[in-house]
Amino acid sequence: SQQGEEDPQALSIQEGENATMNCSYKTSINNLQWYRQNSGRGLVHLILIRSNEREKHSGRLRVTLDTSKKSSSLLITASRAADTASYFCATDQAGTALIFGKGTTLSVSS
Amino acid sequence: KAGVTQTPRYLIKTRGQQVTLSCSPISGHRSVSWYQQTPGQGLQFLFEYFSETQRNKGNFPGRFSGRQFSNSRSEMNVSTLELGDSALYLCASSLVVTNNNEQFFGPGTRLTVL
Repeated sequence: SQQGEEDPQALSIQEGENATMNCSYKTSINNLQWYRQNSGRGLVHLILIRSNEREKHSGRLRVTLDTSKKSSSLLITASRAADTASYFCATDQAGTALIFGKGTTLSVSS
Repeated sequence: KAGVTQTPRYLIKTRGQQVTLSCSPISGHRSVSWYQQTPGQGLQFLFEYFSETQRNKGNFPGRFSGRQFSNSRSEMNVSTLELGDSALYLCASSLVVTNNNEQFFGPGTRLTVL
């Protein structure tokens, strides 16, 4: 079953704009991770945020986590065409492996 | 350091056949997980192996099986293939515990069942 649900399902923006995607989950977690997938290829890990953290930065990426609302957001600032990809959030469930959401497809046009 | 490799990259089989997919994790990584990705169901967890033992298993029928060797390489097998098994099969490795570490994914094996 899907643990995380990303929103929106698809997002189209222009280069230079910011992109925000959200993830909601259902049960308590230890951490939440974001991954990127370029068309039909393997996933690349972007960032991991632990349940006791509220915000984390990595380059142009900013991730927030609100455990009271069971939600997370990924912000990509100053988007580039190379950011075009699908983005997935993944959560752990105690004692099991990562559970992925269905993803947000981001399209950045130049 | 070499990344996660998966072989073969593409595979075409017919219904009723069986298939074996292979995954070589990053050197030093002892945990290997397998995922199935389809447009309809998204990324679904199949199973995870650690030190040659299956640690976790997703909600898939017994036709899906796997194993891990002493060098951490892993194989997954699907028997009696069905059309719905057509998917991208992704393998991921991590250092020790998957829940609290990032997973490194291979490029995947695209399986088409005719």
